[in-house]
Amino acid sequence: GEDVEQSLFLSVREGDSSVINCTYTDSSSTYLYWYKQEPGAGLQLLTYIFSNMDMKQDQRLTVLLNKKDKHLSLRIADTQTGDSAIYFCAEYSGGYQKVTFGTGTKLQVIP
Amino acid sequence: NAGVTQTPKFQVLKTGQSMTLQCAQDMNHEYMSWYRQDPGMGLRLIHYSVGAGITDQGEVPNGYNVSRSTTEDFPLRLLSAAPSQTSVYFCASSLGQPGPETQYFGPGTRLLVL
Repeated sequence: GEDVEQSLFLSVREGDSSVINCTYTDSSSTYLYWYKQEPGAGLQLLTYIFSNMDMKQDQRLTVLLNKKDKHLSLRIADTQTGDSAIYFCAEYSGGYQKVTFGTGTKLQVIP
Repeated sequence: NAGVTQTPKFQVLKTGQSMTLQCAQDMNHEYMSWYRQDPGMGLRLIHYSVGAGITDQGEVPNGYNVSRSTTEDFPLRLLSAAPSQTSVYFCASSLGQPGPETQYFGPGTRLLVL
């Protein structure tokens, strides 16, 4: 079946850039997502990218997609303490209820 | 709009007890889903519904039942709780099929089964 993998933990200093990486196995993915989960809360959609795009920028967020390597990344510029959260990568490859989530990366921002 | 609400926030059960996790949404979304979140694993789909009266199994349905009598509510029932069901449970809803349509998540229910 489909698999989505992420590293478990990332620590950065406030003001630096954060890069969270994700790899997936399903080459037929059509949408790829980044969700943010703050402590004690549900997942919140941050941004998404269509599979026919290489890059999407949204304010401090930049999503890069390398379809050949099945690699997705989320770059957060000027990381703030409020960015501390767990970030989930997810992919949708069509079909019913077929959104597959990664394991989540915990981002720790050090003041 | 309250969005997606879940109750309770936290629950402790003994093995063999039953309980119902409540989920409600006020966005008139047709699609609703239940996920569980375990350490080191992504969210896994338990059951889902595409509208009132229609439910189906997801990836990990064993030990759970659902029903959808109204558009707004989608309760998840644990018939006989087991320690393996210790997890954080999230309910989600979307206007259309998740994937093309954005899913909105509730705040979660943390369940501990002793």
